Amino acid sequence: EDQVTQSPEALRLQEGESSSLNCSYTVSGLRGLFWYRQDPGKGPEFLFTLYSAGEEKEKERLKATLTKKESFLHITAPKPEDSATYLCAVQGNTGFQKLVFGTGTRLLVSP
Amino acid sequence: ETGVTQSPTHLIKTRGQQVTLRCSSQSGHNTVSWYQQALGQGPQFIFQYYREEENGRGNFPPRFSGLQFPNYSSELNVNALELDDSALYLCASSPGLQQETQYFGPGTRLLVL
Repeated sequence: EDQVTQSPEALRLQEGESSSLNCSYTVSGLRGLFWYRQDPGKGPEFLFTLYSAGEEKEKERLKATLTKKESFLHITAPKPEDSATYLCAVQGNTGFQKLVFGTGTRLLVSP
Repeated sequence: ETGVTQSPTHLIKTRGQQVTLRCSSQSGHNTVSWYQQALGQGPQFIFQYYREEENGRGNFPPRFSGLQFPNYSSELNVNALELDDSALYLCASSPGLQQETQYFGPGTRLLVL
């Protein structure tokens, strides 16, 4: 069964202090790995899709990377507005678009 | 281009009642998926609809059912509500089965008393 584990559960950073979030996964045939940002009480906001090991994508202060067993979300010089829960999800070769999510990393960036 | 919308935003029901949640897909999207997100957890896949047909289902009992309409909007129906059904219900749409990225709506917060 497809499985996603995210670490740490929570992370507190000072503004400008760079760090990385980890997403470890097991999946029967990866169709895609997805990163979403979720603010409290709102729906997940799409950030990145990664398809194969070695792929990297960037958006502003965020950079996502992918290996055969894990993905990292690197946050460079974060700002308070980057505070949110970051969710990782995988989609396997099930024949339909089922996303399997981790429990997320709650990020708090203090000024 | 409008995004995914859901209604209502909040709902309070009592145990044993039935509820219907609604979702309008993003323009041009014909695939809709529903997820349940309990507090502090990641979303859990309920089912998916593609061109008005159920295309896949997660580990949820039959009292969770759905519909997709010709305009690709969708409904999630839950019968015989239980306390554990209290959660944020999320709808996500995508342009088709070959386009894996799903875009989420703001969710409906359901509280069962």
